[in-house]
Amino acid sequence: EIVLTQSPGTLSLSPGERATLSCRASQIISSSDLAWYQQKPGQAPRLLIYGASSRATGIPDRFSGSGSGTDFTLTISSLEPEDFAVYYCQQYGTSPFFGQGTKLEIK
Amino acid sequence: EVQLVESGGGLVQPGGSLRLSCAASGFTLSSHWMHWVRQAPGKGLVWVSRSNGDGSGTAYADAVKGRFTTSRDNAKNTVYLQMNSLRAEDTAVYYCTRDTRYGGDPSFDFWGQGTLVTVSS
Repeated sequence: EIVLTQSPGTLSLSPGERATLSCRASQIISSSDLAWYQQKPGQAPRLLIYGASSRATGIPDRFSGSGSGTDFTLTISSLEPEDFAVYYCQQYGTSPFFGQGTKLEIK
Repeated sequence: EVQLVESGGGLVQPGGSLRLSCAASGFTLSSHWMHWVRQAPGKGLVWVSRSNGDGSGTAYADAVKGRFTTSRDNAKNTVYLQMNSLRAEDTAVYYCTRDTRYGGDPSFDFWGQGTLVTVSS
């Protein structure tokens, strides 16, 4: 089973700052199988990034994904108030697996 | 507009059963694999099960294998999750989600609002 480890667990930043979220896989995975989701309290997750770097429909271009092999990154270039949420990376594979999440909170 | 609406959650005693439904609209259900994902209170997302387009192929997480069964009725645009022998650790919000392949890359692009299952005596 491939395990995804996200870091940091909590990230405290201010609006306008740049956020960098990490997702590390326990073994090499295909970039095609790596996605990122955003979840706000009381809401369902929302797809942000698929294929490691492609933005989903309607996702602002301040969100970008990168990486390959075992190391992947979600970057939010300039934080907006609505971006403070929990972010999950996901590996699709035979049994889809989610990372434990990074909580992005207002500093 | 794509919509997924779950129902069927509630309070059930340990060892009991529950069937969740996910009503799909705005797209052709048979063209998509569908998944169930759960989230225990205050915890992260955990994949539970999936079914292929015609329901002939299914897969389950080890934690629910042998107890949960996913099925679908494409004519009724509905996906189901039959949950038997429920345990306290099955307590969670259960989401159904659509599997999509943009350019061949898989992801879960639409999610329902979730339905809460509480297993307690």
